[in-house]
Amino acid sequence: QVQLVQSGAAVTKPGSSVKVSCKSSGGDFFSYGISWVRQAPGQGLEWMGSLTPVFHKVNYPQDFQGRVTITADKSTTTVYMELSSLRSGDTAVYYCARERDGFDVWGQGTLVTVSS
Amino acid sequence: DMQLTQSPSFLSASVGDRVTITCRASQVISSYLAWYQQKPGKAPKLLIDVASTLQSGVPSRFSGSGSGTEFTLTISSLQPEDFATYYCQQVDTYPWTFGQGTKVEIK
Repeated sequence: QVQLVQSGAAVTKPGSSVKVSCKSSGGDFFSYGISWVRQAPGQGLEWMGSLTPVFHKVNYPQDFQGRVTITADKSTTTVYMELSSLRSGDTAVYYCARERDGFDVWGQGTLVTVSS
Repeated sequence: DMQLTQSPSFLSASVGDRVTITCRASQVISSYLAWYQQKPGKAPKLLIDVASTLQSGVPSRFSGSGSGTEFTLTISSLQPEDFATYYCQQVDTYPWTFGQGTKVEIK
């Protein structure tokens, strides 16, 4: 049974960066991509990008190009999402999710609060 | 980018009602359309992928259909545990996109 376990909540200042981790266990880490999705308070779901570990291939939407970096550490089966130049509008719950024909396994979510 | 528009955005219904949510895409999708259920404070849960494939463990009262640019999620008989927000998502063309959500509340 594949599980994705994310790092804990973070409080950061405007202009800084945050790095959230997503550790995969119980399955073949290399078989599927991992996406990151965020949800601002009271808002909908927003796709931030994805990485296919075996190919190190990444895809980012235009809205996040240049601000988000998704990487993987195969030795620890962990995927990381780093978001830079943070602003108050980046306050959200950040989720990682396994990609198949949909996102079938999700992490528990990580609350990132951007506040001065 | 491909836009997904869900209707309605809000739905008030009673236990036992048949409920239909529509997701319209701005371009043709080759059936790579998924539906999620999200309850407050929880991660989304995949209900249906490839437009109509019910995920293991999801009750059969949920069904998906559609093709091209119009897709539907139907709950044949709404149960108390179904009150939640539902999202469609396309995984046909990058960037992946979600609909804005449909909140299903108790009448």
